[in-house]
Amino acid sequence: EAGVTQFPSHSVIEKGQTVTLRCDPISGHDNLYWYRRVMGKEIKFLLHFVKESKQDESGMPNNRFLAERTGGTYSTLKVQPAELEDSGVYFCASSQGGNGYTFGSGTRLTVV
Amino acid sequence: GIQVEQSPPDLILQEGANSTLRCNFSDSVNNLQWFHQNPWGQLINLFYIPSGTKQNGRLSATTVATERYSLLYISSSQTTDSGVYFCAVVMGYALNFGKGTSLLVTP
Repeated sequence: EAGVTQFPSHSVIEKGQTVTLRCDPISGHDNLYWYRRVMGKEIKFLLHFVKESKQDESGMPNNRFLAERTGGTYSTLKVQPAELEDSGVYFCASSQGGNGYTFGSGTRLTVV
Repeated sequence: GIQVEQSPPDLILQEGANSTLRCNFSDSVNNLQWFHQNPWGQLINLFYIPSGTKQNGRLSATTVATERYSLLYISSSQTTDSGVYFCAVVMGYALNFGKGTSLLVTP
């Protein structure tokens, strides 16, 4: 089966611009998560979808971040407007049942 | 929230050496996973191991849930083992990550 796919793998944008990250989970996985690792720090939870519904978005840093999961399939994470401190690696993961989490390769975001 | 502590924070090994990485957690958990973040930033799942022992090639992991720790063993290390090793535990549904162990294996 295909794994979790993230696009793009890298993105370099200027401060104030908008960036949209995409995640395609493993087919059939109801649970989809976004995490991020800011340079040198631990990986932090951002939010959790169950199908198309946001189950928990307590980890979203502020209202410049918007996540959607239309139709319960792929998800997007938009950052608007981007700030320097948003730089880091954004990971998506999916899970189903009690079989653990599968992560995508991540999107490395650099805001300059 | 649950605390996840990993040790050591940094480790340098010569190729061929063995090592043990430790993960302590502060509460009962539903799940524990070990990940390897390679130099390209990819997060690779190594083990899903809420309890017991598993082995995969040169790597093995043991979780003693009642004592709230897990160990990751790397034997005969290779330069490709370099990167950051993360332990993550689950309470409910979200993973809580430790700060990781940064491993460098030198030729």
